[in-house]
Amino acid sequence: DAKTTQPPSMDCAEGRAANLPCNHSTISGNEYVYWYRQIHSQGPQYIIHGLKNNETNEMASLIITEDRKSSTLILPHATLRDTAVYYCIVWAGNNRKLIWGLGTSLAVNP
Amino acid sequence: DAGITQSPRHKVTETGTPVTLRCHQTENHRYMYWYRQDPGHGLRLIHYSYGVKDTDKGEVSDGYSVSRSKTEDFLLTLESATSSQTSVYFCAIRDRVESPLHFGNGTRLTVT
Repeated sequence: DAKTTQPPSMDCAEGRAANLPCNHSTISGNEYVYWYRQIHSQGPQYIIHGLKNNETNEMASLIITEDRKSSTLILPHATLRDTAVYYCIVWAGNNRKLIWGLGTSLAVNP
Repeated sequence: DAGITQSPRHKVTETGTPVTLRCHQTENHRYMYWYRQDPGHGLRLIHYSYGVKDTDKGEVSDGYSVSRSKTEDFLLTLESATSSQTSVYFCAIRDRVESPLHFGNGTRLTVT
């Protein structure tokens, strides 16, 4: 089962882009890259996911390298409300094999 | 937010007592999950369901049982609560195998 590596913490200035990296060098061909975030003690919130191509939605952009061994989540204009723990997960949809790491704690500073 | 309601939101109970946590969804999604979250650990899967009366164990299922008699409800039962089951419990749902998970806001359980 593919696992991910993320930096434990990052800082970002309000209004600037936040670029959160994730390494998943053992990803399998049928595994998607998912990003979630968790604010305080709330339930994790889905952000975005992708397989091979870069993806963008109203919350963020996901850049996946061509070899799919790493990805970057981009929050284009970070706000204080984006302060949260961000989780990068690789998953093929098999129910028992989803592994959650400890994520990256992003602090957006005024 | 996805229509997921967890109840109760907070509960304190004594060791050895039975406890049932409820997850209710209004999305008519097929798959439902129970996770626990503890400091120093990622989310860990307890049990999941892939349809009414169809359930299976996750990675930390010992001491827990589940039931799903209706699409909208997934119950997690601690038959005899222990202090090691003090945790925050999250329910999640999804529609299809390739769909992302959507989480409830959790139940904070303290076993004294």
